[in-house]
Amino acid sequence: QVQLQQWGAGLLKPSETLSLTCGDYDGSFNNYFWTWIRQPPGKGLEWIGEINNTGGTNYNPSLKSRVTISVDTSKSQFSLKLRSLTAADTAVYYCGRGHAGAWEVVAYWGQGTLVTVSS
Amino acid sequence: DIVMTQSPDSLAVSLGERATINCKSSQSVFHSPNNKNYLAWYRQKPGQPPNLLIYWASTRASGVPDRFSGSGSGTDFTLTVSSLQAEDVAVYYCQQYLISPRTFGQGTKVEIK
Repeated sequence: QVQLQQWGAGLLKPSETLSLTCGDYDGSFNNYFWTWIRQPPGKGLEWIGEINNTGGTNYNPSLKSRVTISVDTSKSQFSLKLRSLTAADTAVYYCGRGHAGAWEVVAYWGQGTLVTVSS
Repeated sequence: DIVMTQSPDSLAVSLGERATINCKSSQSVFHSPNNKNYLAWYRQKPGQPPNLLIYWASTRASGVPDRFSGSGSGTDFTLTVSSLQAEDVAVYYCQQYLISPRTFGQGTKVEIK
């Protein structure tokens, strides 16, 4: 069973930058899409963005000015940075890996990181 | 953006009975060059990440029980749980992955009657 491991700071102040990293150690890092999704407490899923195996990215236009997703293939890791945080960014953040038969679909998920933005 | 709208927002079904969830997209998610609908379904149990159930609108993901089935094309899709089990208490989401941003429906909460 593929397991993604994610980590990063869980309590941040307004205006700070969120930084999360996800490790995909299944051994096939070069062949997928990797995605970040968030879920505010008690609410639905919001797609943040994705990066493919060539480093190409797509971002949600609602977050595009503040988001950077990057990949480090040598470490089998990909990362999310979200700048200029506000309370509205409080959410559980999930990383995910695409399905071999449908790259943009998230087949494997990290455990989630609750990020709270509060002064 | 493609807007995904699910109905109902919640439903209560008796154990062993059928549960049906609908998903409508604001524009077609059918891609004619490969004849595929770019529509996925996920189940999210309380306190857990979502779990992929269906992709290409009707293809079950590996390990997903055959009581789950997906149907539909274009803009209208359905997820059916043929015989609801206790472990199916969850929130279900549809997602289009034809174009970025890859948007989700608002979710449908399924409970036991």
